[in-house]
Amino acid sequence: QKEVEQNSGPLSVPEGAIASLNCTYSDRGSQSFFWYRQYSGKSPELIMSIYSNGDKEDGRFTAQLNKASQYVSLLIRDSQPSDSATYLCAVSGTALIFGKGTTLSVSS
Amino acid sequence: DGGITQSPKYLFRKEGQNVTLSCEQNLNHDAMYWYRQDPGQGLRLIYYSQIVNDFQKGDIAEGYSVSREKKESFPLTVTSAQKNPTAFYLCASRRGVSTDTQYFGPGTRLTVL
Repeated sequence: QKEVEQNSGPLSVPEGAIASLNCTYSDRGSQSFFWYRQYSGKSPELIMSIYSNGDKEDGRFTAQLNKASQYVSLLIRDSQPSDSATYLCAVSGTALIFGKGTTLSVSS
Repeated sequence: DGGITQSPKYLFRKEGQNVTLSCEQNLNHDAMYWYRQDPGQGLRLIYYSQIVNDFQKGDIAEGYSVSREKKESFPLTVTSAQKNPTAFYLCASRRGVSTDTQYFGPGTRLTVL
């Protein structure tokens, strides 16, 4: 059974700080990795996708992938209260396999 | 306006009833998926379809059924055999290749009375 693991949190950071979200996966053959954000009562929305080892930046968000360690992370710089949500890590397969999500709380 | 639509947004079911959740997409995506989400849990795969007239069971298919008669549509029926159906149901689609992004509809919240 392919698995994706995330710390459930909550992760609490002050406004303006860097939030670091981590994810590990079990299938060494996985090729594609995704981070989704989900607000309470809403459906997940894609933040970032990453396919190669290293960093990928998009605005305040940076995804990091280390396939040798089977580790994916998401950094959120200059965290805002509007970033408060649950962040889901997903790994490619016939369908995406999701972790249980990490709840982030950004206090003003 | 392209996207994935799900209806209804809220659905209430009595014990012993079958109910059908609608999912339609106009993105011309080949693959469609149904997930279930319980409070504090991740998304669990119910069924998926990679092509019209074909579908496969996911991790928690018992008590559910689907059909894929049209590329645009992938309805999910929650049968009376599903013992604990109260949950948030999410439909998703993607172009087809496993590296492609998966997009989600707005979801249907089902409550058993």
